[in-house]
Amino acid sequence: AQSVSQHNHHVILSEAASLELGCNYSYGGTVNLFWYVQYPGQHLQLLLKYFSGDPLVKGIKGFEAEFIKSKFSFNLRKPSVQWSDTAEYFCAVRGLRYSGAGSYQLTFGKGTKLSVIP
Amino acid sequence: DAGITQSPRHKVTETGTPVTLRCHQTENHRYMYWYRQDPGHGLRLIHYSYGVKDTDKGEVSDGYSVSRSKTEDFLLTLESATSSQTSVYFCAISELRDKNQPQHFGDGTRLSIL
Repeated sequence: AQSVSQHNHHVILSEAASLELGCNYSYGGTVNLFWYVQYPGQHLQLLLKYFSGDPLVKGIKGFEAEFIKSKFSFNLRKPSVQWSDTAEYFCAVRGLRYSGAGSYQLTFGKGTKLSVIP
Repeated sequence: DAGITQSPRHKVTETGTPVTLRCHQTENHRYMYWYRQDPGHGLRLIHYSYGVKDTDKGEVSDGYSVSRSKTEDFLLTLESATSSQTSVYFCAISELRDKNQPQHFGDGTRLSIL
């Protein structure tokens, strides 16, 4: 079974501060990794994804994440946050071992709430 | 945004009543999913479908059933709603033919069981 752990439940930053949100996963095989963002009252939107290749992945709105296979980690970073980044962030993993039911299930972390103070 | 419509968007009902939530997609994607989102739990998979009439259980399937009679529609039914099923429900779709597609989410249904 796969699992995801997000280290921080709530992070509070001032505008222009740097951001790093931790994500570790557990899975004994090849994975796809995702970060989703959920703005207040909205649905989840894909920020960035890693499938293969360069472990440093760039996403939308200046976010990036680095896949470190040896640490089973996929931390999200942004050099300078803005008030508009206030949202909840979810890390997710999809194990690529064929499940037999034809579906590669996505497992989410519990989320990290980011509050950016102007 | 992916063509996913969830209905209703909000519902309040009483314990013991049946409830059906609908997810409709216009993308012709093969895979559809129902999640519930609760504070401190993130998103948890209830059921998913990998084709018409093909469904399987997720992590938190007790008390829920699903049906998929057409590619575009995936229904989630609470046969006898309980207060513990008060939650926000999200539908998602994906197409994995090339194994490089993420899941896209609908806008959610906020369900309150009194």
